[in-house]
Amino acid sequence: QVHLVESGGGVVQPGTSLRLSCAASGFTFTSYAIHWVRQAPGKGLEWVAVIWYDGSNKYYADSVKGRFTISRDNSKNTVYLQMNSLRAEDTAVYYCARDNLAAAVSNFDYWGQGTLVTVSS
Amino acid sequence: DIQMTQSPSSLSASVGDRVTITCQASQDISIYLNWYQQKPGKAPKLLIYEASKLESGVPSRFSGSGSGTDFTFTISSLQPADIATYYCQHYDNVPITFGQGTRLEIK
Repeated sequence: QVHLVESGGGVVQPGTSLRLSCAASGFTFTSYAIHWVRQAPGKGLEWVAVIWYDGSNKYYADSVKGRFTISRDNSKNTVYLQMNSLRAEDTAVYYCARDNLAAAVSNFDYWGQGTLVTVSS
Repeated sequence: DIQMTQSPSSLSASVGDRVTITCQASQDISIYLNWYQQKPGKAPKLLIYEASKLESGVPSRFSGSGSGTDFTFTISSLQPADIATYYCQHYDNVPITFGQGTRLEIK
């Protein structure tokens, strides 16, 4: 069955960097776009970024544009989120989610369990 | 960016009640609207896609309707397992945005 497993979260200081990974299994990875969605403690869901099935297109929320980079390695069935210049407001559980489509946005039909990123001095 | 306004923000109902949540988009999004359920400490789960289509394996007491700017999510007969927070989400374009969520409690 479909599995998405996030890793790489932790406690970091403001201004530093962190790279999250999302390892996928149980489906044809190269047929789906993948998103990152985050949730600050006690808050709602915030879409962060998406990458097309082949990495050809990437889109970001304004709140992370220029600081975060989404990428994928289709040989490893893994999507990454490189987070630079981290701020306290980036503190959240970060989920990766599979889009139902390869090269467009639609619904998020499978989600990982999330990884917690805490930005604090 | 398209804003999604969800109401109410919280709701208390009894087992067996019919529950309705609304979501309004700041501009026409056709039927590009999904609904998710999130239980505490868990990832969200897709319930309804394209405004009214029931995701495979989701109980038929859940339903969705609407198009354009106004959408409705309904639980026909509330069950204890339905206690969760519910979110609408548009996908008309990027950036994708979610409603602020509706926290559903049992009375």
